[in-house]
Amino acid sequence: NAGVTQTPKFQVLKTGQSMTLQCAQDMNHNSMYWYRQDPGMGLRLIYYSASEGTTDKGEVPNGYNVSRLNKREFSLRLESAAPSQTSVYFCASRPVTTTYEQYFGPGTRLTVT
Amino acid sequence: EDKVVQSPLSLVVHEGDTVTLNCSYEVTNFRSLLWYKQEKKAPTFLFMLTSSGIEKKSGRLSSILDKKELSSILNITATQTGDSAIYLCAVEAGVNDMRFGAGTRLTVKP
Repeated sequence: NAGVTQTPKFQVLKTGQSMTLQCAQDMNHNSMYWYRQDPGMGLRLIYYSASEGTTDKGEVPNGYNVSRLNKREFSLRLESAAPSQTSVYFCASRPVTTTYEQYFGPGTRLTVT
Repeated sequence: EDKVVQSPLSLVVHEGDTVTLNCSYEVTNFRSLLWYKQEKKAPTFLFMLTSSGIEKKSGRLSSILDKKELSSILNITATQTGDSAIYLCAVEAGVNDMRFGAGTRLTVKP
């Protein structure tokens, strides 16, 4: 039982390049989330998927797209990376959308130059 | 605008001290408040609070929610160096709308 896994762990992009961050969970959770964490700002929700087949915007969705490929996998895509997207990205999952804590992956450190 | 504010932002104590971390919130539709500990990587869950006045306890850590004051505290007694981490407060301000505070960085010196 690996929990929530993310790939890659580190990535350096040039401005304008695109990439996809992958996330998978093996806990049969319904809901999945993407956050970014910047120094001094805590975590901010980018997108979430309450269940397979649905996705919704969070607090800071601009510049990102997501795909809930199946119940296990939730990917985050940067179409044209910008330096402002330099951050640590965390994926999380939760069993149901009511009163259960989230389980976080180990994070992806992304630098855009 | 929904917001979560933690204080202090940073705290340095010595082993054996007791610390109190604060979290205040302003959200339109409160569902729950959660505390997480973040060491080097992923946040790990500590407590979830939904009802006012009921203390949650786990070993040397405890937390309580005050819905009248829109706040919560996290207490750590007899601190150890292993308690050094960033402690994050999050408020679920609507279904799936999780708002995090900036965190309190706790350093425990031997």
